[in-house]
Amino acid sequence: AQSVTQLDSQVPVFEEAPVELRCNYSSSVSVYLFWYVQYPNQGLQLLLKYLSGSTLVKSINGFEAEFNKSQTSFHLRKPSVHISDTAEYFCAVSESGNQFYFGTGTSLTVIP
Amino acid sequence: NAGVTQTPKFQVLKTGQSMTLQCAQDMNHEYMSWYRQDPGMGLRLIHYSVGAGITDQGEVPNGYNVSRSTTEDFPLRLLSAAPSQTSVYFCASKGSTVEQFFGPGTRLTVL
Repeated sequence: AQSVTQLDSQVPVFEEAPVELRCNYSSSVSVYLFWYVQYPNQGLQLLLKYLSGSTLVKSINGFEAEFNKSQTSFHLRKPSVHISDTAEYFCAVSESGNQFYFGTGTSLTVIP
Repeated sequence: NAGVTQTPKFQVLKTGQSMTLQCAQDMNHEYMSWYRQDPGMGLRLIHYSVGAGITDQGEVPNGYNVSRSTTEDFPLRLLSAAPSQTSVYFCASKGSTVEQFFGPGTRLTVL
């Protein structure tokens, strides 16, 4: 089975500061990689995904993530965070597209 | 489209009781899945289905049953609830891409 490690359970950051949420996974084979965001009392929403091709993927709201195969990482970054980015962020991996493995989540709190 | 819907939103059970968590999607997705979310554990896959009549176990299937008689519905059954099954349950579906669409969740408490 896969394992996904999100190294930081809580990340506080001031508004307009940059942030990086770290994600490492265990697989040595080709995988699909995802970042999901969960707002309080809601389901998860896909933020961005890596399937193949360019190792840098971007979302429409300013987040980006870079796939690093040698380090088996898929860290999420944003150069300037907003209050509205406060949420729980989950990294996920899948080899087959049928079984998905999630990390334990990182709670991002943006401080005014 | 309503997307993925789950009922009920909240449920309290006593140990040993049975219940079914309902999940439906109106996007004609072949793939559907159930997860449980526990503090500090992230989401863990319970069961999934790649089409009507086909189900398979995920990471934590014990204590849960599923069936898939239609494309739209994927109910999750707890035959004899235990306190360890207290959790938030999410249903998800996906079509031909790998993107999963999640429902709003069911918060279950087993006393």
